[in-house]
Amino acid sequence: NAGVTQTPKFQVLKTGQSMTLQCAQDMNHNSMYWYRQDPGMGLRLIYYSASEGTTDKGEVPNGYNVSRLNKREFSLRLESAAPSQTSVYFCASSGVQAGTQYFGPGTRLLVL
Amino acid sequence: GENVEQHPSTLSVQEGDSAVIKCTYSDSASNYFPWYKQELGKGPQLIIDIRSNVGEKKDQRIAVTLNKTAKHFSLHITETQPEDSAVYFCAALNQAGTALIFGKGTTLSVSS
Repeated sequence: NAGVTQTPKFQVLKTGQSMTLQCAQDMNHNSMYWYRQDPGMGLRLIYYSASEGTTDKGEVPNGYNVSRLNKREFSLRLESAAPSQTSVYFCASSGVQAGTQYFGPGTRLLVL
Repeated sequence: GENVEQHPSTLSVQEGDSAVIKCTYSDSASNYFPWYKQELGKGPQLIIDIRSNVGEKKDQRIAVTLNKTAKHFSLHITETQPEDSAVYFCAALNQAGTALIFGKGTTLSVSS
């Protein structure tokens, strides 16, 4: 039982490049989330998916898109990366929308 | 908008002392308040949570208290140990019940 897994662990991009961050959970959770963590800013919600087939914007959605591929997987895409998107990205899941969230190990992204 | 304030931002204690971290939230409709511990290079991990129908919850050396009237909640760690050194985040569930709003974190250092 791996919990929440994220790939890649670390990525360097050039401005304007695109990439997809992958997240998967094996806890049969309905809800999944993407956060970004910046120094002194805590964790800010980018997008979430309350259930398979639905996605909604969080606090900082600009520059990102998401796909809830199936119940297990929730991906985050940067279409044209910008230096302001340099951050650590965390995926989380919860069994119910208002329940305990379990976090993955994070993806460290550097945009040059 | 919905907001969670967390204090202090850094806290240094001697091993064996107690540590207290305080958070205030803006939305009186919030009813779920988790605390997360994040060690260097890892994702946040839930350490304790409380719902609005109780005023206090304990788990060994960790306790959380909630004052709904004042809209604040606190994390108490007793008999601190060096392995308690980490960043701690408080959070509150938003009014819609769809996402957590995080404080900006407290870096706790326990020296032996």
